[in-house]
Amino acid sequence: DAKTTQPPSMDCAEGRAANLPCNHSTISGNEYVYWYRQIHSQGPQYIIHGLKNNETNEMASLIITEDRKSSTLILPHATLRDTAVYYCIVRLHSNSGYALNFGKGTSLLVTP
Amino acid sequence: GAVVSQHPSWVICKSGTSVKIECRSLDFQATTMFWYRQFPKQSLMLMATSNEGSKATYEQGVEKDKFLINHASLTLSTLTVTSAHPEDSSFYICSVSTGTRGIGSYTFGSGTRLTVV
Repeated sequence: DAKTTQPPSMDCAEGRAANLPCNHSTISGNEYVYWYRQIHSQGPQYIIHGLKNNETNEMASLIITEDRKSSTLILPHATLRDTAVYYCIVRLHSNSGYALNFGKGTSLLVTP
Repeated sequence: GAVVSQHPSWVICKSGTSVKIECRSLDFQATTMFWYRQFPKQSLMLMATSNEGSKATYEQGVEKDKFLINHASLTLSTLTVTSAHPEDSSFYICSVSTGTRGIGSYTFGSGTRLTVV
């Protein structure tokens, strides 16, 4: 799996957009970008994934640069319940038989 | 997506005793489950890969005789912490790879907080 780099922490005001960056400069052509989050004392939760096109779902948007060396997870209207550690993970499509490897992630604090 | 139930959510045990943690895949037949451990303010660390009907694969540095994994059915994997000591106190999380989105997607249990006193 390609290495990812994320800022250790970020703050965001409630109601504003939270933009969480991730660098993955060694990503290969067939590796996907996954985002998970972990709210305190819970198991991680899937958010979104993408290969090269921007993606949007009910939770978030994922913007992947054209060279695929970085991406940004966007929570359009952050709420206090979005306070969590966000993990950016890069891995092959076909590796479903292998565990996800978690880095240190970004600790997002949403403030009132 | 899959629903993964982990039990108990928390447990306190005396040093030297054993504790069993269950991970159930409620609506998906999981041939493979994963066990993680997470210490305070740290990330999840993979302990082992649990394979239905065969021996688990342990990560380097994880004692297989201390952390016994049994995956006897497609819906249940158990992790037994044997002869627990205070340093085993941690947050244990299981995961199932479902591939329901056409790629390797993963669902996690809610975790078990183990405190050894």
